[in-house]
Amino acid sequence: NAGVMQNPRHLVRRRGQEARLRCSPMKGHSHVYWYRQLPEEGLKFMVYLQKENIIDESGMPKERFSAEFPKEGPSILRIQQVVRGDSAAYFCASSPGRGNTYEQYFGPGTRLTVT
Amino acid sequence: AQKVTQAQTEISVVEKEDVTLDCVYETRDTTYYLFWYKQPPSGELVFLIRRNSFDEQNEISGRYSWNFQKSTSSFNFTITASQVVDSAVYFCALITPKNSNYQLIWGAGTKLIIKP
Repeated sequence: NAGVMQNPRHLVRRRGQEARLRCSPMKGHSHVYWYRQLPEEGLKFMVYLQKENIIDESGMPKERFSAEFPKEGPSILRIQQVVRGDSAAYFCASSPGRGNTYEQYFGPGTRLTVT
Repeated sequence: AQKVTQAQTEISVVEKEDVTLDCVYETRDTTYYLFWYKQPPSGELVFLIRRNSFDEQNEISGRYSWNFQKSTSSFNFTITASQVVDSAVYFCALITPKNSNYQLIWGAGTKLIIKP
């Protein structure tokens, strides 16, 4: 049973480019969380999605950031026009939901570097 | 509001010493879950333990033990006979289902350095 997959593991973008981060949840999981870890800091919640729905995006910056979790395929975190301050590790976690949403299984993270 | 405080930014001990990492949480909810994660230098997050608010029993797993005390809102983590491989950043985290859509609320982490 494969764990949570994230790709790419490392991503380098120049300022102004777009970054797309992918998260494939564990089989049977329909809930996905994205967290961001700035250098030398703890993690911060960004967004919570279920299939085809954004449930809570209160942690997402208002501009340039968007997330989706389509019916088919991975969840995508998209950052447009990246800036140096976007450099961070982005972790996704998947959950089975259905009363077990406190069980969150983390992927290995994507380390984004903006040059 | 919910909050997790890990007051120790960095701890350095010599191998084989015991070390305790502190975690203090804040919530008004009666149902909540507490977690500890380890982040080794390689960067991934390793789940260590989950505790729900109704279970105050202390937990021991090998050299690791956890002390959950609701009276002081603390969930401290002790490593006995520390080893160099224990060097990592350790995060304490909280979920309060009622108010936060099950998002994890994280402490700032404690960097643990075990010297040989």
